[in-house]
Amino acid sequence: QKEVEQNSGPLSVPEGAIASLNCTYSDRGSQSFFWYRQYSGKSPELIMFIYSNGDKEDGRFTAQLNKASQYVSLLIRDSQPSDSATYLCAVAAGGTSYGKLTFGQGTILTVHP
Amino acid sequence: DTGVSQDPRHKITKRGQNVTFRCDPISEHNRLYWYRQTLGQGPEFLTYFQNEAQLEKSRLLSDRFSAERPKGSFSTLEIQRTEQGDSAMYLCASSFGLLQETQYFGPGTRLLVL
Repeated sequence: QKEVEQNSGPLSVPEGAIASLNCTYSDRGSQSFFWYRQYSGKSPELIMFIYSNGDKEDGRFTAQLNKASQYVSLLIRDSQPSDSATYLCAVAAGGTSYGKLTFGQGTILTVHP
Repeated sequence: DTGVSQDPRHKITKRGQNVTFRCDPISEHNRLYWYRQTLGQGPEFLTYFQNEAQLEKSRLLSDRFSAERPKGSFSTLEIQRTEQGDSAMYLCASSFGLLQETQYFGPGTRLLVL
């Protein structure tokens, strides 16, 4: 079992729709959870982080965390073609490995006009 | 604040050659991380520093790989006797703080070993 799992997609949504991206993780000691966006050929760019159970909203983005289910999601409202990218879920370890990020393989999102 | 910088941005080398990459973190950040990313995969952790101390190395980091951060500022990652399997994007990230820190990535160095 991979430590952080994402559906690789591709996920295709029409412009203006809600895109829903999901991620599960295996380490119950994980402390922090991040979503990064990565355009082709570029480095990851931080979108959001979440530490506590529940929802966290930032503009068109909402991150949701459920530690009991070991599940993190990212919702993108009013999707735009410029949101087309690979979305990486990353989980930060606890304990002696504190801060080290473990990434999922990424979900490719395509927003079509 | 100019962000994390990496040099070079691209490197083509022949198998068996040594290569060295440099990372300059955001100035006040005390933690620096190296990751490697291959096509279609998420970044994989290689190693990280807190100030000048190297605190953890991944099992992915063979004896051919060495990283330093001599004065707690910039870092170098050296790969000796490169192999074709070393071809990847090498990413550096930095962060500040002891709790729940956020890592910011540099533009990466893309290595191609022929």
